Amino acid sequence: KAGVTQTPRYLIKTRGQQVTLSCSPISGHRSVSWYQQTPGQGLQFLFEYFSETQRNKGNFPGRFSGRQFSNSRSEMNVSTLELGDSALYLCASSLGLAGMAGYEQYFGPGTRLTVT
Amino acid sequence: AQSVTQLDSHVSVSEGTPVLLRCNYSSSYSPSLFWYVQHPNKGLQLLLKYTSAATLVKGINGFEAEFKKSETSFHLTKPSAHMSDAAEYFCVVTARRGGKLIFGQGTELSVKP
Repeated sequence: KAGVTQTPRYLIKTRGQQVTLSCSPISGHRSVSWYQQTPGQGLQFLFEYFSETQRNKGNFPGRFSGRQFSNSRSEMNVSTLELGDSALYLCASSLGLAGMAGYEQYFGPGTRLTVT
Repeated sequence: AQSVTQLDSHVSVSEGTPVLLRCNYSSSYSPSLFWYVQHPNKGLQLLLKYTSAATLVKGINGFEAEFKKSETSFHLTKPSAHMSDAAEYFCVVTARRGGKLIFGQGTELSVKP
């Protein structure tokens, strides 16, 4: 069974631009979560989608948004990029809502975003 | 609300000696607890998880963890470290009813030959 895939793997953008990252979950998984990982802040939860609905949201500004499609694939968008948005963005999928009844998450390799 | 504290930011051991990575948690609800490992330039891999069954949980690669409710701890152990265990380890808590996963700050494990 194929794992979680994320595209692109690396991305360089300029301040003020916007970016869209894509995540394809493991087949059959209905939940997709997004995380931002930086050396200073560690791993921070962005949001979780389940059956095309946002179920949980972290403490990030409205510039960060996402969506999930009927095939469970998910995209994350960041508008008006800032230097501080440079990070590794990780996507994770699970069968059910993350953590519920012990559903574990399976992580993709991440997208490395650099904002210059 | 949930929170998790990894008590050591860096642990160094010699190959063949035991590993102990410490994690304390706080949760308003019955927790689910996980340990993940991240090798350099790789995604996170699940080592083991605790839901509500046995308090001693066995995971992959010889790792295990014990859930101690009275001490609100979920420490990760391995009897004998291997060079390939060098990586960053994350303790994670969430409410068993579902909700966002809260990650600890991570513990970097170094293994000396």
